[in-house]
Amino acid sequence: SQQGEEDPQALSIQEGENATMNCSYKTSINNLQWYRQNSGRGLVHLILIRSNEREKHSGRLRVTLDTSKKSSSLLITASRAADTASYFCATDAKGAGSYQLTFGKGTKLSVIP
Amino acid sequence: EPEVTQTPSHQVTQMGQEVILRCVPISNHLYFYWYRQILGQKVEFLVSFYNNEISEKSEIFDDQFSVERPDGSNFTLKIRSTKLEDSAMYFCASPRGRNEETQYFGPGTRLLVL
Repeated sequence: SQQGEEDPQALSIQEGENATMNCSYKTSINNLQWYRQNSGRGLVHLILIRSNEREKHSGRLRVTLDTSKKSSSLLITASRAADTASYFCATDAKGAGSYQLTFGKGTKLSVIP
Repeated sequence: EPEVTQTPSHQVTQMGQEVILRCVPISNHLYFYWYRQILGQKVEFLVSFYNNEISEKSEIFDDQFSVERPDGSNFTLKIRSTKLEDSAMYFCASPRGRNEETQYFGPGTRLLVL
């Protein structure tokens, strides 16, 4: 299967609720990043967590990383309608000289006002 | 957040035509990347570029694709003879430097091949 698989594929919640998205991967990583993509738009970097970190916070975002389970979660607290977007995890794969990212298929989050 | 720009935002072309997609990465960045996203699918790595040459490329990046940095600021992706399956969003990305993991993505070029 693919590196960086998110679940659920789609998530619909009410404004104010928390949203949790999960990501699993297969190979060893240096770091894992989460990106947001509004429909038909570019990718906005949200947060990066390194392989030696277990948890990281940024505003209403909380990311956890469990390297033993090869999984990560993204929690958005007190969701807003503006959080409606697709969320992708991406793992790095350091090759000969560059950090190419491998993306999952994403979780489509809908926040209902 | 630092800004990567891309032009055009949309491009429609006929199958077999050549297209050039342009990116202006964040200044002073060293690595540049192209990714693509077919509608409804995941973002896929195409190629990385460092010091005016290709650093790595994926299986997708066949002989029909080429990249260059013609004038030291723009970074281009050329598709020589487009196919229907080349229809996708193409994203340029760059980190701050060689050891910078965060990649900043441009807004993308939506390519439609008819």
